Amino acid sequence: GEDVEQSLFLSVREGDSSVINCTYTDSSSTYLYWYKQEPGAGLQLLTYIFSNMDMKQDQRLTVLLNKKDKHLSLRIADTQTGDSAIYFCASRSDTGFQKLVFGTGTRLLVSP
Amino acid sequence: DTGVSQDPRHKITKRGQNVTFRCDPISEHNRLYWYRQTLGQGPEFLTYFQNEAQLEKSRLLSDRFSAERPKGSFSTLEIQRTEQGDSAMYLCASSLGSAEQYFGPGTRLTVT
Repeated sequence: GEDVEQSLFLSVREGDSSVINCTYTDSSSTYLYWYKQEPGAGLQLLTYIFSNMDMKQDQRLTVLLNKKDKHLSLRIADTQTGDSAIYFCASRSDTGFQKLVFGTGTRLLVSP
Repeated sequence: DTGVSQDPRHKITKRGQNVTFRCDPISEHNRLYWYRQTLGQGPEFLTYFQNEAQLEKSRLLSDRFSAERPKGSFSTLEIQRTEQGDSAMYLCASSLGSAEQYFGPGTRLTVT
């Protein structure tokens, strides 16, 4: 079945780079997304990548996709305290259904 | 573009009562999704509309749950005879075609 896994926690210092990792099982995943959730809030779409790409860069964010290993990562350069949040990886298949399948989220804590 | 809005933001109800939530998608987005998020977990897909047609329902959506999108604009999610296990954050998202899904702030339901 479809499954998305992430590590639960990451702690970094302000100014360092953060790398959040995700693995997924559905080989028909066509789109892979990264969302950010702050306490008590909804999900903010950060970026997404098509499965025919292996990298996408958007300002401080870099997404790397290894389709063979079904591994996705999100790198945040120059991490700031405002980046502290839970980051969710999600996959979506184009096999007729539109749902996103989410991981359990990685809590990023950025210390000054 | 005012984003996806949800109402109410918080709802406390007694077990056995019915509750209804509303979602207003981004204007002109033809697809609307409902997800449920429990504490410490990623969102789980409940159902999806394209315009006014409900095209997919998760097995999580028991007979006590019903969703509508009568004119292809706003949507309502009703839970009948609420149970304590229904306590969660209910998230709505919308998209234009098969593009990225934008989430609302969610409705937090507490069943006492």
